[in-house]
Amino acid sequence: GNSVTQMEGPVTLSEEAFLTINCTYTATGYPSLFWYVQYPGEGLQLLLKATKADDKGSNKGFEATYRKETTSFHLEKGSVQVSDSAVYFCALMKTSYDKVIFGPGTSLSVIP
Amino acid sequence: GAGVSQSPRYKVAKRGQDVALRCDPISGHVSLFWYQQALGQGPEFLTYFQNEAQLDKSGLPSDRFFAERPEGSVSTLKIQRTQQEDSAVYLCASSLGVDSGYTFGSGTRLTVV
Repeated sequence: GNSVTQMEGPVTLSEEAFLTINCTYTATGYPSLFWYVQYPGEGLQLLLKATKADDKGSNKGFEATYRKETTSFHLEKGSVQVSDSAVYFCALMKTSYDKVIFGPGTSLSVIP
Repeated sequence: GAGVSQSPRYKVAKRGQDVALRCDPISGHVSLFWYQQALGQGPEFLTYFQNEAQLDKSGLPSDRFFAERPEGSVSTLKIQRTQQEDSAVYLCASSLGVDSGYTFGSGTRLTVV
């Protein structure tokens, strides 16, 4: 079946450090891939997306590239801020009308 | 409205009590999803509506869970005879149906005591 695997957290980084959160997926065909973020006490928000192989999604300094050959969609940011502290979810969707399948989430804490 | 609205924001139910959770999607959004998010885990799919039609209910954990969207807009998730394992945040999401992801509500946190 379709599934998403993420690196386990929690991840703790100092401000301005480089961030990588690994994500790999299992799916047939060519799913759309997403990163969602959940800030403390808030709902899920779409952070970025990519809909086909080699696409790069980017937003708020975060980037992720859709790698079909490694079935990966790793999230990166060059310099994290305290305000980036949140839980990050990698997710996939097979078609426009299909359900979104989420990974277990990775908690990130950024300390000053 | 501007976003997906869910109510109540918090619900405490005694074990065995029935609960109803409401979702107001973004106006005009065709697709509506319900998810269950247990503490420290990712959201798990429960059910999906396209307009008023429930096209997928494969994620509903038991026959105590029931969802409806009679007029293709507001949706209600009903849980009968609640049990402690039903304690979770219930998330609703809606979409126009294009590959842009979904807009999630803030969720209803259900605690069964």
